[in-house]
Amino acid sequence: QQQVKQSPQSLIVQKGGISIINCAYENTAFDYFPWYQQFPGKGPALLIAIRPDVSEKKEGRFTISFNKSAKQFSLHIMDSQPGDSATYFCAALTTSGTYKYIFGTGTRLKVLA
Amino acid sequence: NAGVTQTPKFQVLKTGQSMTLQCAQDMNHNSMYWYRQDPGMGLRLIYYSASEGTTDKGEVPNGYNVSRLNKREFSLRLESAAPSQTSVYFCASRVWPNSYEQYFGPGTRLTVT
Repeated sequence: QQQVKQSPQSLIVQKGGISIINCAYENTAFDYFPWYQQFPGKGPALLIAIRPDVSEKKEGRFTISFNKSAKQFSLHIMDSQPGDSATYFCAALTTSGTYKYIFGTGTRLKVLA
Repeated sequence: NAGVTQTPKFQVLKTGQSMTLQCAQDMNHNSMYWYRQDPGMGLRLIYYSASEGTTDKGEVPNGYNVSRLNKREFSLRLESAAPSQTSVYFCASRVWPNSYEQYFGPGTRLTVT
């Protein structure tokens, strides 16, 4: 049972463009929403995360937008660079619960030079 | 400080063979996790250990067993490998309860023929 739906499956963006990846969740008990970045042959690494008490969090070129009422959150990559080409996973966690992270299915991003 | 290490990096098994995937972390983290990653499926939790001495099932535990050997080490065992277990396996660890960030190992690519 997929509790976090991620789209698109793949994304191609020109260098300097904006990359947008979306996720939707069902369980209202989730209260921590991270994004992980994975390069080929490597394990995922935390990129940025948000709690539902804020609607936006920005770290450099990466921004999470969070819509609690719609149960959706998205990752925006501004001024996308070829080095951003990777697979991105959203995830959700109930911090007071069972330590079980639920991951989205991933988005493969390719930034063209 | 090596972070999370996994052995082996690659393995080919025949159906019915058994093997143990090893994971160790040197960050003094309490919680450890085993995931499998399949194309289009994202990361799915197999087993986790919230703290030393405890283990619990994740989303896809069938066909696997785990051992939390000590605080550093968490192993995953396939007793009778099946082709459906062909996947990339990731181990992760987390400080609990002070942080929600998971640190992933480099993965083990397993093929069952």
